[in-house]
Amino acid sequence: GAVVSQHPSRVICKSGTSVKIECRSLDFQATTMFWYRQFPKQSLMLMATSNEGSKATYEQGVEKDKFLINHASLTLSTLTVTSAHPEDSSFYICSAGPGGNQPQHFGDGTRLSIL
Amino acid sequence: AQSVTQLGSHVSVSEGALVLLRCNYSSSVPPYLFWYVQYPNQGLQLLLKYTTGATLVKGINGFEAEFKKSETSFHLTKPSAHMSDAAEYFCAVSENQGAQKLVFGQGTRLTINP
Repeated sequence: GAVVSQHPSRVICKSGTSVKIECRSLDFQATTMFWYRQFPKQSLMLMATSNEGSKATYEQGVEKDKFLINHASLTLSTLTVTSAHPEDSSFYICSAGPGGNQPQHFGDGTRLSIL
Repeated sequence: AQSVTQLGSHVSVSEGALVLLRCNYSSSVPPYLFWYVQYPNQGLQLLLKYTTGATLVKGINGFEAEFKKSETSFHLTKPSAHMSDAAEYFCAVSENQGAQKLVFGQGTRLTINP
């Protein structure tokens, strides 16, 4: 069964809406989680590293005020796309692992469509 | 810095034929290499990984890959393709065994012809 749960799986909303995506580790604690973005027919690009209890680390070119990340507990990280616009439409995927050399597990992704 | 190049965005093979998906990497540190499979509208599932030790790595669903340092390659193979193998395949590199902060290749869409 899934060890990382991502919710919702699909979101369709109007331009200007803020959208929150949740990533939960189900049977382990994760001090670090990762958020990726995948454009249609393209690869995954790391957006940011979510750190429990501290600020997220964003990759170059990713707007931290646009993509708010909160990692308030050891099993939950949230990505909020603020004031979303059509260009934010994409497939967002999170990953999490127990740490050390233990493998990362991926959520099933969230398809975000902004009208 | 690390990067991954997958040669061929689309590979098509007949059912029962050999599957070969190519991956070359660049890394300034010893690489940890991974192959993932993605089915439509789903996340990624780990097929196999190379960390250290044996350079021929066996994974799930009959896939295997060989790490060739001299060629900076990590090609994925399967002797006999099944219809269920049709999916998107991603090669990725990381600086750690835990696959944190993965750098992905562009992906290869595998189509299986009956």
